[in-house]
Amino acid sequence: DSGVTQTPKHLITATGQRVTLRCSPRSGDLSVYWYQQSLDQGLQFLIQYYNGEERAKGNILERFSAQQFPDLHSELNLSSLELGDSALYFCASSSQAPPGTEAFFGQGTRLTVV
Amino acid sequence: GQNIDQPTEMTATEGAIVQINCTYQTSGFNGLFWYQQHAGEAPTFLSYNVLDGLEEKGRFSSFLSRSKGYSYLLLKELQMKDSASYLCAVEDGGSQGNLIFGKGTKLSVKP
Repeated sequence: DSGVTQTPKHLITATGQRVTLRCSPRSGDLSVYWYQQSLDQGLQFLIQYYNGEERAKGNILERFSAQQFPDLHSELNLSSLELGDSALYFCASSSQAPPGTEAFFGQGTRLTVV
Repeated sequence: GQNIDQPTEMTATEGAIVQINCTYQTSGFNGLFWYQQHAGEAPTFLSYNVLDGLEEKGRFSSFLSRSKGYSYLLLKELQMKDSASYLCAVEDGGSQGNLIFGKGTKLSVKP
């Protein structure tokens, strides 16, 4: 158990809908990262927050947004969902800002868009 | 562009040694990570290299050559539980925190 908690574990929803994925980082970790993993693409970095502020942005679609709250938990919002958004979404946390900081991954949320 | 290459699949025998290679071309470099991921599970950290050379950690070692854009992960005394995907990731120097992952090498360990 990495200490990073993601909810829900599974989510099935229809195209056009909006969902929110939640992540609680390890106790004391200030950095939260979101990744998307699909079968053909591997792990893709979406966005990183450090102590409530956006720190780095990857290939995150405009339909997706995220935030980190004062208690350090984070939410990833996905809207206008498309079939291609079906993937495993991982959250990871680390104790400090990069570089070279080991990140601990949660078990992921498997999103299926039908 | 950003590119990380590693073999898609490898097979090895229990008790043997296997080397998984990774080559990278990225705009920046703040270090290279190796993660292990069992099917359907979260990636777990194995190693981090930022300077050239070999880092050893039990049965696992990782090597980095920055001038060649090359790394390898060496697994010794293979066990059945080592069957997993091994992900090479480079931390982008320009955007700290942005880990660029390769697609992973699926290792199958046979008895």
